[in-house]
Amino acid sequence: NAGVTQTPKFRVLKTGQSMTLLCAQDMNHEYMYWYRQDPGMGLRLIHYSVGEGTTAKGEVPDGYNVSRLKKQNFLLGLESAAPSQTSVYFCASARGTEAFFGQGTRLTVV
Amino acid sequence: QQQVKQSPQSLIVQKGGISIINCAYENTAFDYFPWYQQFPGKGPALLIAIRPDVSEKKEGRFTISFNKSAKQFSLHIMDSQPGDSATYFCAASKGYGGSQGNLIFGKGTKLSVKP
Repeated sequence: NAGVTQTPKFRVLKTGQSMTLLCAQDMNHEYMYWYRQDPGMGLRLIHYSVGEGTTAKGEVPDGYNVSRLKKQNFLLGLESAAPSQTSVYFCASARGTEAFFGQGTRLTVV
Repeated sequence: QQQVKQSPQSLIVQKGGISIINCAYENTAFDYFPWYQQFPGKGPALLIAIRPDVSEKKEGRFTISFNKSAKQFSLHIMDSQPGDSATYFCAASKGYGGSQGNLIFGKGTKLSVKP
């Protein structure tokens, strides 16, 4: 039972490049989330999904897009990366109130 | 507007001491208050949680104290150990998941327990 798996674990992008972060969960959870973690800022919600085919904006959605075509997968896209998007990205899934987090993706935009 | 305020930002405690981390919230609709523990290079993991119908919850060396009237809750780590060194996040949510149940996190406290 893998839980929540994020791919890739590390990535360096040049400004303006695009990429997609993949989150996969095997717990059959309805809810999935993307957070970013920056020093001294805690975890801030980017986008979330309450079920397959649905997505919604969180606290800091600008510059990101998401898709939830399958219940087990939640994709986070950066269309044109900016240095301000350098961060550690965490995906989480939940059923009820407990959230289970992946191990994170460290993204650097140069 | 920061809905969940956490303090201190960092904390150094001697082995065997008590670690105390405090959080304050603003939204009285919050009804679920978890604490997450994060080790370097790992994702946060649920440590302990409380609902506002009780004033205290204890699990081993970890205790949450909750003061509904003051809109504050705190994490106490008794007999702190070097293995407890991690970043701790308080959080709050309302409802039972979905759009209402999104967790609002504090900014975190980096705890170092010295041997």
